[in-house]
Formats: sequence, structure tokens, C-alpha cells
Amino acid sequence: EDKVVQSPLSLVVHEGDTVTLNCSYEVTNFRSLLWYKQEKKAPTFLFMLTSSGIEKKSGRLSSILDKKELSSILNITATQTGDSAIYLCAVEAGDAGGTSYGKLTFGQGTILTVHP
Amino acid sequence: KAGVTQTPRYLIKTRGQQVTLSCSPISGHRSVSWYQQTPGQGLQFLFEYFSETQRNKGNFPGRFSGRQFSNSRSEMNVSTLELGDSALYLCASSPGWNEQFFGPGTRLTVL
Repeated sequence: EDKVVQSPLSLVVHEGDTVTLNCSYEVTNFRSLLWYKQEKKAPTFLFMLTSSGIEKKSGRLSSILDKKELSSILNITATQTGDSAIYLCAVEAGDAGGTSYGKLTFGQGTILTVHP
Repeated sequence: KAGVTQTPRYLIKTRGQQVTLSCSPISGHRSVSWYQQTPGQGLQFLFEYFSETQRNKGNFPGRFSGRQFSNSRSEMNVSTLELGDSALYLCASSPGWNEQFFGPGTRLTVL
């Protein structure tokens, strides 16, 4: 059974700090790893990482996929109070031929709290 | 482009009733996936439809079912509601091979 584990489960920092969130996975026929941010509503897409794109960056956020270690990190630099949210890591697996079947397996999430 | 829409946004039902939730994907997207989110279990995959065919199903009882129409809109149905079915039900839209974009969810409360 596919499995995704995130750490830490919660994190409290002050504005301006840099944080690193971790995600490790065990899946059969890995296709992609996705990061989402969830505030008091539905998850918002941040990044998708695949074998052909193992590093993504957008503003203060960046993410790296380590296919050898079956893990990913999400970095947030110069944190702001607006970064307070649950960060979800999800992995998509496919069949042996690489076809997607639309199933994402999610980790438990990391609750990030940024104090002013 | 308009985002994923879900209706209704909030629903209160009693045990034993059934409920139907609706999801309209982003225009041009052919895949709709459904997830249940609860504080204890997190986000769990229910099923996925692509071009009106169910391609994948999660580990939920048969009381949970779904379908997709030719315009890619999807519905999920839960029959014989139980207290434990109280959750946020999210649908996600995708072209079928790429990242999934979530709708605002339907908050179901079973009394």
C-alpha cells in the first residue's frame, strides 16, 4: 500500500525564519510528488515534481525531489504570517506503463504557524 | 478560467439518509477525483473518473459511489449515512495526467 509520511507534524517559527518541511514516500510506480498549501479551505496547488523536474522554485518557496532517497523537501525562506497553513505532500502513482489513475496519496500534513 | 466548483457547500443530514454532491471541473479537464478529509484520517482518496469511466477506487464501502457525465461534471453519492461520514468532501480536477486542482469542498454533517 502506498504510504506518505511528513515531518515535522507541526512547527512554530517567527517571521523571517527559514523552514524546511520533509516528505518521504513508499509507492509502486511513482509518477509525481505534489505539494499543497491548505488554509481554512481547499488545498491550493504549490508544486509538482517528477523524474524530469526534480527542483521547483516560486518566490520564497522551493522544493526538491530526491528520487534516490524517496523524499522531498519544501523550503520557505523569510517566512511571513500569511505562510501559516497546513502543508500537504501527496504522491501520485500509476500503472507499470506510467498511466495515471488520478489517485493521490496524502501525508498527514505539517501545521506551520508563523508568529509576527 | 473558472476554477472547480462544488455544490452544495454545506449540508446537514441525519443518519440513514442519502446525499448527492456535485462537482464541475475546470473547463477542458476530463479527470475528476474525489477525496474525504477528516481530522483523524486526513485526506483519503475515494475514486477517480476519466471520460465517464471510473479508473480507480479507494478503500471505502459500497455506500460511496460516483459517476461522471459526458460534460465531465461528476457526482458522488453516499447512501445510508453514518455519523462517521461527517467530513469535508473535496473534488479535484485534472486534464488526466497532470496536477490536480481542488474545489472548495462540501462540508457534510451527519446528525
